[in-house]
Amino acid sequence: EPEVTQTPSHQVTQMGQEVILRCVPISNHLYFYWYRQILGQKVEFLVSFYNNEISEKSEIFDDQFSVERPDGSNFTLKIRSTKLEDSAMYFCASSSRDHYNEQFFGPGTRLTVL
Amino acid sequence: DAKTTQPTSMDCAEGRAANLPCNHSTISGNEYVYWYRQIHSQGPQYIIHGLKNNETNEMASLIITEDRKSSTLILPHATLRDTAVYYCIVRLGFNKFYFGSGTKLNVKP
Repeated sequence: EPEVTQTPSHQVTQMGQEVILRCVPISNHLYFYWYRQILGQKVEFLVSFYNNEISEKSEIFDDQFSVERPDGSNFTLKIRSTKLEDSAMYFCASSSRDHYNEQFFGPGTRLTVL
Repeated sequence: DAKTTQPTSMDCAEGRAANLPCNHSTISGNEYVYWYRQIHSQGPQYIIHGLKNNETNEMASLIITEDRKSSTLILPHATLRDTAVYYCIVRLGFNKFYFGSGTKLNVKP
């Protein structure tokens, strides 16, 4: 069964450093998303991406964040200068054109900012 | 923006039906209701969605009231593996989901 994969599973970084979280969505999907979940808190929408551009973003997704689909398979989330409060689990998701309401989530990357 | 209200937690005996309620009184006429669940700290898993008619799939049934202000997710025969946090979601934008706090369902033997 196709699945969304994410790497790395755990990333530890120093405050102020840049991090790139990587995702490989399901191959025929056209809509891509990033969410985050701070430990013990809600899953929060960050951004959605379609047709090589951001379609929606939340207030969390400020200038420190960016997304990119550098090739036909990867979808990345970059945090330019990490802060302590960026520590969270980051989930990537994707959905198809015909069933865009059904988002398939990856296993997540746990980001720890020290 | 339509938001949802769910009980914090619920218990259910294994093999029995689990009925998870959700209030979404501010939902607008063209907004769908979605249900996802999250087992431990895994990525959320899609369960079902609906607009105004009741829906059923291999995982669950979704009952939406006629005024659309509330809905109930039904797991017909809950198993221990159904222990998870269940999220009732109303889409805010084209594909922007607001997850809320969810209901922690504890299925007990």
